[in-house]
Amino acid sequence: DQQVKQNSPSLSVQEGRISILNCDYTNSMFDYFLWYKKYPAEGPTFLISISSIKDKNEDGRFTVFLNKSAKHLSLHIVPSQPGDSAVYFCAASSGGATNKLIFGTGTLLAVQP
Amino acid sequence: DTAVSQTPKYLVTQMGNDKSIKCEQNLGHDTMYWYKQDSKKFLKIMFSYNNKELIINETVPNRFSPKSPDKAHLNLHINSLELGDSAVYFCASNLAGAAETQYFGPGTRLLVL
Repeated sequence: DQQVKQNSPSLSVQEGRISILNCDYTNSMFDYFLWYKKYPAEGPTFLISISSIKDKNEDGRFTVFLNKSAKHLSLHIVPSQPGDSAVYFCAASSGGATNKLIFGTGTLLAVQP
Repeated sequence: DTAVSQTPKYLVTQMGNDKSIKCEQNLGHDTMYWYKQDSKKFLKIMFSYNNKELIINETVPNRFSPKSPDKAHLNLHINSLELGDSAVYFCASNLAGAAETQYFGPGTRLLVL
């Protein structure tokens, strides 16, 4: 049973436009959400996070929105750049001492020049 | 300067062999993890150690045995390798406590023939 889902395996966007990556979750106990970016042959790198007490967090070109009632979060990248082309993983945690992250299957973003 | 490092980067071996993957972090973190990314790109936690003590042990076969000689190292030993063990294994670490960002190593690509 996949608790974190990214239903779009891939997304193609023109340079300068907005990229919107979506993520849905099923476990209402999740209270912390993260986005990781992964280039080929490298490990995931942390991008941005949001606590369940917030509905928006912004860091430069990256903004994460959280809709708890819909159990949905999204990552907006604007403007998109070719260097943003990578796999983006959504992850969720229910906190506690273990800090166990549950990952989605990722969305491959291709930003076309 | 590498924060989380893994060796080897690639590992090709025969079914039935025993192999080890090593992980080291120089970030001063208390908690370390092993994740497995299978052929469907699903990134799933296997183990977590906090200050050399096992705190997460997901449903992983007994053939997998993690060892933490100190809090900067977490090694993974796999006995009697099977074809299904072929995957990319990622090590990660973070400071102790909930909602702390995890930092990932570059991954070890294991292929069992």
